Amino acid sequence: GIQVEQSPPDLILQEGANSTLRCNFSDSVNNLQWFHQNPWGQLINLFYIPSGTKQNGRLSATTVATERYSLLYISSSQTTDSGVYFCAGGYQKVTFGIGTKLQVIP
Amino acid sequence: EAGVTQFPSHSVIEKGQTVTLRCDPISGHDNLYWYRRVMGKEIKFLLHFVKESKQDESGMPNNRFLAERTGGTYSTLKVQPAELEDSGVYFCASSQQGLNYGYTFGSGTRLTVV
Repeated sequence: GIQVEQSPPDLILQEGANSTLRCNFSDSVNNLQWFHQNPWGQLINLFYIPSGTKQNGRLSATTVATERYSLLYISSSQTTDSGVYFCAGGYQKVTFGIGTKLQVIP
Repeated sequence: EAGVTQFPSHSVIEKGQTVTLRCDPISGHDNLYWYRRVMGKEIKFLLHFVKESKQDESGMPNNRFLAERTGGTYSTLKVQPAELEDSGVYFCASSQQGLNYGYTFGSGTRLTVV
């Protein structure tokens, strides 16, 4: 099956800082998504991004499908950005990475 | 539109008992998925319905787990009998038909088997 590698596994940021999270896939996928699991355990879909670049407020994501990786950018981080960020990819079903645990401190 | 609804949000049961989790997908979403996160590990696929049919159940851990999707609407996931290692968070997601749509996840059911 598809292997999904996320980096870094843990990240601590000062409020206002920027960060880049990375996701590598062992094989091509056409269903690539980024999720945020908030402190209450809810999984929120951030981006559906099989290729190209998308932006939503302070968040943006870029997927280079030919090189099998995706990046999630968080700019001007806020404490509410804390939680675990997952990428997932596949075809119908998706395989999740182990996540990046982000803590934004005031 | 209403999101994906899961019930209950939490369940604590004793080993050997039966628990049934329910998922109501977004209306009109043919695809329904079950995933679970056990003991802080990665989120793993359990199964995928297209309407009322099981498209892929390769992730179901064993025959103690039974999933159904009545009439292609809501879905249930029954664990019988529950074991300690079944504890975790069970997520349901739905999406529209086709490959160009992301998932919408429910809030999950946190299952604790004691």
